[in-house]
Amino acid sequence: DAGITQSPRHKVTETGTPVTLRCHQTENHRYMYWYRQDPGHGLRLIHYSYGVKDTDKGEVSDGYSVSRSKTEDFLLTLESATSSQTSVYFCAISGTSGPEGFRTDTQYFGPGTRLTVL
Amino acid sequence: DQQVKQNSPSLSVQEGRISILNCDYTNSMFDYFLWYKKYPAEGPTFLISISSIKDKNEDGRFTVFLNKSAKHLSLHIVPSQPGDSAVYFCAASGFVGNSGYALNFGKGTSLLVTP
Repeated sequence: DAGITQSPRHKVTETGTPVTLRCHQTENHRYMYWYRQDPGHGLRLIHYSYGVKDTDKGEVSDGYSVSRSKTEDFLLTLESATSSQTSVYFCAISGTSGPEGFRTDTQYFGPGTRLTVL
Repeated sequence: DQQVKQNSPSLSVQEGRISILNCDYTNSMFDYFLWYKKYPAEGPTFLISISSIKDKNEDGRFTVFLNKSAKHLSLHIVPSQPGDSAVYFCAASGFVGNSGYALNFGKGTSLLVTP
């Protein structure tokens, strides 16, 4: 299994509070992703990173920001949590430290963080 | 707009029989397809993939078939086992933004294999 951990695994917070979720990998993979999973929606991409300090938006990025200051860590921040952000959040990684342009589509997922916003 | 569709939310199969899970996609630019398996309270686990230059890929009991002209792929599990009971997600890879590939997921099919 890919070395991916997520913290915290469970969190309950109140509307309007900031929340940061952490994804940590030990695989030295270039690409990291944040998804959310909701009933009836499958997994939807929030943000992704294609290198240190290189990030971009996904399908459902509103209300979320990300940062990647080290290869191994990818942080997802909810600046002011809302009830619509209650969800299960998954981090994923793909790729190796291979040459530029090397395509690596298979993603490996972390165990998830269950976030409840009251 | 959903670009990857799994039209069967659930499927029930007897142990030992074949399970067939279906997936359709709309974007002809997708050229790499994957199946993931997910148990409750765990992250999705990569199962099998197929490139668009192939029409079949096999790995043990799992075979994925791709019909590019119909924009359709299917996952066959033979023989099905109770441990295969899980939610199966179909995903298609597409280029996004700056030099990245992201997966577009279907909504999943819940497979139940009964003894």
